[in-house]
Amino acid sequence: SYELTQPSSVSVSPGQTARITCSGDVLAKRYGRWFQQKPGQAPVLLIYQDDERPSGIPERFSGSSSGTTVTLTISGAQVDDEADYYCYSAADNNWVFGGGTKLTVL
Amino acid sequence: QVQMVQSGAEVKKPGASVKVSCKTSGYTFTDYYLHWVRQAPGQGLEWMGWINPTSGGTNYAQKFQGRVAMTRDTSISTAYMELSGLRSDDAAMYYCAKNTATHNYWGQGTLVTVSS
Repeated sequence: SYELTQPSSVSVSPGQTARITCSGDVLAKRYGRWFQQKPGQAPVLLIYQDDERPSGIPERFSGSSSGTTVTLTISGAQVDDEADYYCYSAADNNWVFGGGTKLTVL
Repeated sequence: QVQMVQSGAEVKKPGASVKVSCKTSGYTFTDYYLHWVRQAPGQGLEWMGWINPTSGGTNYAQKFQGRVAMTRDTSISTAYMELSGLRSDDAAMYYCAKNTATHNYWGQGTLVTVSS
């Protein structure tokens, strides 16, 4: 089975750029997605197909990919961006999630 | 718009079974696989498996094989996930979800508590 590895936590000051990486062999063959999850809420899709943003997602959220790593970049992080972030991919319709990264903005 | 509405919270004793429903609307039920994901308190997202609403075929994550059963009723566009032999570490929020090429849709979650 596939695995995705993320840092457990990232911390930035408001206005700074936050970067969260996600690594796994499956990402060399399949696209990655990123979700944001706030306490008590279902996950929200931020990025699909490595670097595409669904409508309604602020431009400060962007994604990139290189080899077996995808990266979520939050430019000008806001206090409201404090949340858990999960990367995700799928192979043969089987989903795999990274362990999640807690982003602190303070 | 796409909606996925799950059944309400459950409290079960260890060893019991729980069956969670996910009623969908706003799209053709048989067009997309329906997945189940769970999240234990303070933990990450854990994929459990999927059901093909057209054929009823399923694929379960290895961890849950033998304990989980995913079914559907196409007449009411509803999917079900039943987990048996509940243990304390099965206490979690259970979500149904589906993918499209550009979106993910999630149910609101069903909280399952396991307590004697």
